[in-house]
Amino acid sequence: EPEVTQTPSHQVTQMGQEVILRCVPISNHLYFYWYRQILGQKVEFLVSFYNNEISEKSEIFDDQFSVERPDGSNFTLKIRSTKLEDSAMYFCASSVDRVGNTIYFGEGSWLTVV
Amino acid sequence: QKEVEQNSGPLSVPEGAIASLNCTYSDRGSQSFFWYRQYSGKSPELIMSIYSNGDKEDGRFTAQLNKASQYVSLLIRDSQPSDSATYLCAVPNAGGTSYGKLTFGQGTILTVHP
Repeated sequence: EPEVTQTPSHQVTQMGQEVILRCVPISNHLYFYWYRQILGQKVEFLVSFYNNEISEKSEIFDDQFSVERPDGSNFTLKIRSTKLEDSAMYFCASSVDRVGNTIYFGEGSWLTVV
Repeated sequence: QKEVEQNSGPLSVPEGAIASLNCTYSDRGSQSFFWYRQYSGKSPELIMSIYSNGDKEDGRFTAQLNKASQYVSLLIRDSQPSDSATYLCAVPNAGGTSYGKLTFGQGTILTVHP
């Protein structure tokens, strides 16, 4: 079964450092997303991406965050200067269409900022 | 602010019993509703989607939707210890501008004991 893959599975970084989380969406999917989940809290939407541009973003997705699809397969989330409160599980997801019923999540990248 | 509310539990049921999980949502325009299962430290996994009022059955799972009451539920029949997980209710943003932005509830922790 096709799946969304994410790397790294776990990263520890110093506060203020830049972090790049990588994702390979399912190959025929056109819509890509990042969600995050702080330990013990809700899964929260960060950003959606379609046709090489951001379609929608949440209030969380401020100037410290950026997304990119540098080639035909990877989809990345960059956090420019990490803060302690950025510690969370970050999930990449993809879907064939925009309706939302076929959103598949990757296994997540656990980011710890110290 | 679109809200999705769930009782966080924990809900504990004996093996073989029916587990009933509930969710309410605030946006009357919502058309689609999803139940995800999330094992500890893992990503959300879609288990049911429902779009019309009434019941939808898939194996041991039944989703129930009442749009007038803004209420969606998930029944798990013949509960098994492997069903022990957090169950997340998710609602896509209503409206034509939505690009797969799911609003999640805080999840209900289900424990099935032998």
